Amino acid sequence: QSVLTQPPSASGTPGQRVTISCSGSSSNIGSNTVNWYQQLPGTAPKLLIYSNNQRPSGVPDRFSGSKSGTSASLAISGLQSEDEADYYCAPWDDSLNGWVFGGGTKLTVL
Amino acid sequence: QVQLVQSGAEVKKPGASVKVSCKASGYTFSSYDINWVRQATGQGLEWMGWMNPNSGNTGYAQKFQGRVTMTRNTSMNTAYMELSSLKSEDTAVYYCTRELDREADDNWFDPWGQGTLVTVSS
Repeated sequence: QSVLTQPPSASGTPGQRVTISCSGSSSNIGSNTVNWYQQLPGTAPKLLIYSNNQRPSGVPDRFSGSKSGTSASLAISGLQSEDEADYYCAPWDDSLNGWVFGGGTKLTVL
Repeated sequence: QVQLVQSGAEVKKPGASVKVSCKASGYTFSSYDINWVRQATGQGLEWMGWMNPNSGNTGYAQKFQGRVTMTRNTSMNTAYMELSSLKSEDTAVYYCTRELDREADDNWFDPWGQGTLVTVSS
């Protein structure tokens, strides 16, 4: 069981806005930045959001991240079919002295 | 472009060891830590540890302490992850990934290798 809590699934129709939450504690999200990774079916994870809310070059501005206290969120607006993937939040954990991943959220575009 | 290319799939018997390689290109190999992350079929991502290619220093998740060894060959720009005393529960895809800067306040993984499937079966 992960120290970070994500909903196992989320869904939306094309064009909608969806958000995925990631709940942690003072030793991880509360004291470190959060990154988000997107894993398309059958592929390796890819960096989607870094430092809470920054997008790497090439990531559409439909994707945005935020953090407040011990929780973080990933928002996807203008949902598209190609957004169907698993999404993972990941901060460093000071107590565990290592990286931790949320359990992952499977996004379905209806 | 920055790229990490991993070795091919492995099938091992319980109790054996496996060594997965990760060849880096497109950047100065010694300047960035390499981390290893695994994913069992249908499951989430699990961090295993990190290795500094310059010093050889390592840090392992407690779960894998005593069973995992991360090394490198700087002349070949290649990192290795060896896992011993394999159990069926170790069946997973193993990924290597580059870490931006362990000493920085902001840090992340990018890019990732393509993954190596390790199957443990008698």
